Amino acid sequence: SQKIEQNSEALNIQEGKTATLTCNYTNYSPAYLQWYRQDPGRGPVFLLLIRENEKEKRKERLKVTFDTTLKQSLFHITASQPADSATYLCALGKAAGNKLTFGGGTRVLVKP
Amino acid sequence: GAVVSQHPSWVICKSGTSVKIECRSLDFQATTMFWYRQFPKQSLMLMATSNEGSKATYEQGVEKDKFLINHASLTLSTLTVTSAHPEDSSFYICSARGQGSNTGELFFGEGSRLTVL
Repeated sequence: SQKIEQNSEALNIQEGKTATLTCNYTNYSPAYLQWYRQDPGRGPVFLLLIRENEKEKRKERLKVTFDTTLKQSLFHITASQPADSATYLCALGKAAGNKLTFGGGTRVLVKP
Repeated sequence: GAVVSQHPSWVICKSGTSVKIECRSLDFQATTMFWYRQFPKQSLMLMATSNEGSKATYEQGVEKDKFLINHASLTLSTLTVTSAHPEDSSFYICSARGQGSNTGELFFGEGSRLTVL
C-alpha cells in the first residue's frame, strides 16, 4: 500500500541554523510533491511545489529537492528563525487536479 | 493569495445531533473542494472530494450517510456530520483548488473543531 513517511520526532534547532526535513514514499509514483506549513489549530498553508521532472526548487529561505529514484524529498529552511516553528507536511499528487495524500508531518522548533 | 473561509471554527454539540460546517472560497471559484479530518498529532486524512454540481466521491471507509457533502455552487461546499457521536470529535478542514488551476496547490480553510459530548 502507499506510504508517505516523515520523521515523527520533533526537530529542535538553534536559530540561524539550517533545518532539514525528509519525506520518503513507497508504492507511489507522484507527478508532483508539495510542502505545507501548519500551525497548531490552523489549516495548512502552501509553501512549495516541485514536479517529478524537477530536481530542486527555491523560495526565499526555503529549498526543496525531489529525487524520484530514492523516492525522497528534502525540505530545507536556511537561517532558521523562531517564527519558523511549526509542523511541516509533505503531500504527493499524481496529476494536476487530483487529490493530495499527506505525510504525518514533522514538528520543527527553532530556539533563539 | 486565494482565501478559503470555514465556519464555524469550533462547535460543541450533544451526541445524536447533526452539525453543518461551511467552506467558502472568497475570491475565486472552486470547482473542486476536499474535506479532511485530522486527529491530534496526526496527519490530514482525506474524507471526500466534492465537485460543484455533482455527487461527492468518498474515500474508502468514510460513511456517505454519516458525512453528507453538498457543493451546490462554485464558492460553497458544506459538510454535515449527521447523528454525531463522541468518536466524530475531530478537526475538520476543507480545501479548494481554483478554477483553471494546474499547479495542484490547495488553499485550506482555518478548520473547524468539532467536540461531541
